[in-house]
Amino acid sequence: EAQVTQNPRYLITVTGKKLTVTCSQNMNHEYMSWYRQDPGLGLRQIYYSMNVEATDKGDVPEGYKVSRKEKRNFPLILESPSPNQTSLYFCASSPLDRGNTEAFFGQGTRLTVV
Amino acid sequence: GENVEQHPSTLSVQEGDSAVIKCTYSDSASNYFPWYKQELGKGPQLIIDIRSNVGEKKDQRIAVTLNKTAKHFSLHITETQPEDSAVYFCAASTGFQKLVFGTGTRLLVSP
Repeated sequence: EAQVTQNPRYLITVTGKKLTVTCSQNMNHEYMSWYRQDPGLGLRQIYYSMNVEATDKGDVPEGYKVSRKEKRNFPLILESPSPNQTSLYFCASSPLDRGNTEAFFGQGTRLTVV
Repeated sequence: GENVEQHPSTLSVQEGDSAVIKCTYSDSASNYFPWYKQELGKGPQLIIDIRSNVGEKKDQRIAVTLNKTAKHFSLHITETQPEDSAVYFCAASTGFQKLVFGTGTRLLVSP
């Protein structure tokens, strides 16, 4: 089954404790991205990657890091989480060879930073 | 950069009624306009999209219209059903999968 898998689904952590949210897709997509969803603000892009070793900042990159060492994986790293990073996070992937097309989203990770 | 505004933020309708959600965009270079449906506890899922060379597209009970001159596009759902209840997001893109989303519309369809 074609899918984007995020882990964990739920995470509660304390301020300053480094964490990683994993994202993996099995569709051989070149493009992967991370979004955060906050009430009244919709989905905002954090980082994106157009292929292996090619990452770039989205609209709200402060406090986040990403890496793309393999095509299928695109982890999101919070080196020193703060309460304002409490949010619902989504990873998405899509192919690049057909121009703009459907983005496939993971199930989401609800992060709470206390 | 691109900015997408979406209205209304909440919409309540009776089963069988029609629902319309409207979005406006700012960047005239945007050429791709998808609509995503997000059910509770799930990630957004594409339900319909339209490209800038088309004015209208329909898929069963859902349709999208695009007015490039006015820079707005709308989602129309006819004969609404309780399972249409969800949050709907519009988005706009100028290319290379860069999507800018609206703030979402919570649609509630009452039986």
